[in-house]
Amino acid sequence: NAGVTQTPKFRILKIGQSMTLQCTQDMNHNYMYWYRQDPGMGLKLIYYSVGAGITDKGEVPNGYNVSRSTTEDFPLRLELAAPSQTSVYFCASSGDRGGSGNQPQHFGDGTRLSIL
Amino acid sequence: AQSVTQLGSHVSVSEGALVLLRCNYSSSVPPYLFWYVQYPNQGLQLLLKYTTGATLVKGINGFEAEFKKSETSFHLTKPSAHMSDAAEYFCAVWDSSYKLIFGSGTRLLVRP
Repeated sequence: NAGVTQTPKFRILKIGQSMTLQCTQDMNHNYMYWYRQDPGMGLKLIYYSVGAGITDKGEVPNGYNVSRSTTEDFPLRLELAAPSQTSVYFCASSGDRGGSGNQPQHFGDGTRLSIL
Repeated sequence: AQSVTQLGSHVSVSEGALVLLRCNYSSSVPPYLFWYVQYPNQGLQLLLKYTTGATLVKGINGFEAEFKKSETSFHLTKPSAHMSDAAEYFCAVWDSSYKLIFGSGTRLLVRP
């Protein structure tokens, strides 16, 4: 049972480059989320989706884009990488609203991204 | 808007000692509260959650937390620390607009 899978696990980018962080889940969850984690700052929500074709901004969306063409996949796009985007990125999914019911948010193992 | 404050970015205990990790929340509605644990180089795993009902919630690995509305707290405890408990712990409150709001985390160190 794979759960939430993120690729790549590590990546180094140069300033101004672009890349897509991949996230896929095999639990048929409607709700998916992208977070970034910076030391001592907890997790900040970047974007989230409540179902295929529906996305919305979180707390820190600037510099990122997302799409949700299928239930399984929720890629995160960085168009012009900046040093401030150096972080660990986590994708999560949930079978209900925010994990408030019997189904918690399930997290991937993260993508460690450095912008130099 | 909901918010979460975790007191102490680092907590150090001896193996076998009581673990107490503090979490206070701010919420304008009855809160749904969560504790997650993160081991090195891994994602977050749910430890326990409070939604409704009993205010003392038991989770995995011997952890429990008590919801105290009068104190707006949801502290995490474990009677006896084990070396394997060393990790980072996050308290979170559910925001009604589909989101979890996380605290800044507390790193638990367990001394032999």
